[in-house]
Amino acid sequence: GESVGLHLPTLSVQEGDNSIINCAYSNSASDYFIWYKQESGKGPQFIIDIRSNMDKRQGQRVTVLLNKTVKHLSLQIAATQPGDSAVYFCAEMDSTLTFGKGTMLLVSP
Amino acid sequence: EAGVAQSPRYKIIEKRQSVAFWCNPISGHATLYWYQQILGQGPKLLIQFQNNGVVDDSQLPKDRFSAERLKGVDSTLKIQPAKLEDSAVYLCASSLDRGGGSTDTQYFGPGTRLTVL
Repeated sequence: GESVGLHLPTLSVQEGDNSIINCAYSNSASDYFIWYKQESGKGPQFIIDIRSNMDKRQGQRVTVLLNKTVKHLSLQIAATQPGDSAVYFCAEMDSTLTFGKGTMLLVSP
Repeated sequence: EAGVAQSPRYKIIEKRQSVAFWCNPISGHATLYWYQQILGQGPKLLIQFQNNGVVDDSQLPKDRFSAERLKGVDSTLKIQPAKLEDSAVYLCASSLDRGGGSTDTQYFGPGTRLTVL
């Protein structure tokens, strides 16, 4: 399938490493944040979300951190696997969902 | 549970032609969204429906784009006439929420890749 990752920041890691993907958001009124994973030729897939009254939320192998002071969001993936290779988007919700610039994650075996 | 369905998956047309995309949301989802994703960028909201009413179409280029969701289920997005810059992936998403601005998760379909020559 065609790539969605042209001209995107790229993070290259080895299988088993931990990955951290960062995102800066712009709207102070946003109260809900989501990380999506998008594989080539597919639509975005929900990974994890966090509301503005929290600063950390954990899922299976993934953790999202929210720093409202500096409007920064991060996604941590533990023990990264080749199947995690994709473009990752953060999105913020005010009245509508606004996607940030994506980051391409490349995982080498 | 079946996901969001979209068709066609790919479409190639010449500029000034017309094209239509179809979306079938997840059963029971009240809200349906159309996004445009230009290569290398994140999806951008074009229009949001709640049931068969428009909630937000502020980013829809209404001189050439139109969308409808007549029975509150399936939706079509049309471009007439198409321009070169309309080349993109058109994504449909749906969410369960029944109120505008709710934070229910949006689930995306696979998209339709449009190429305008």
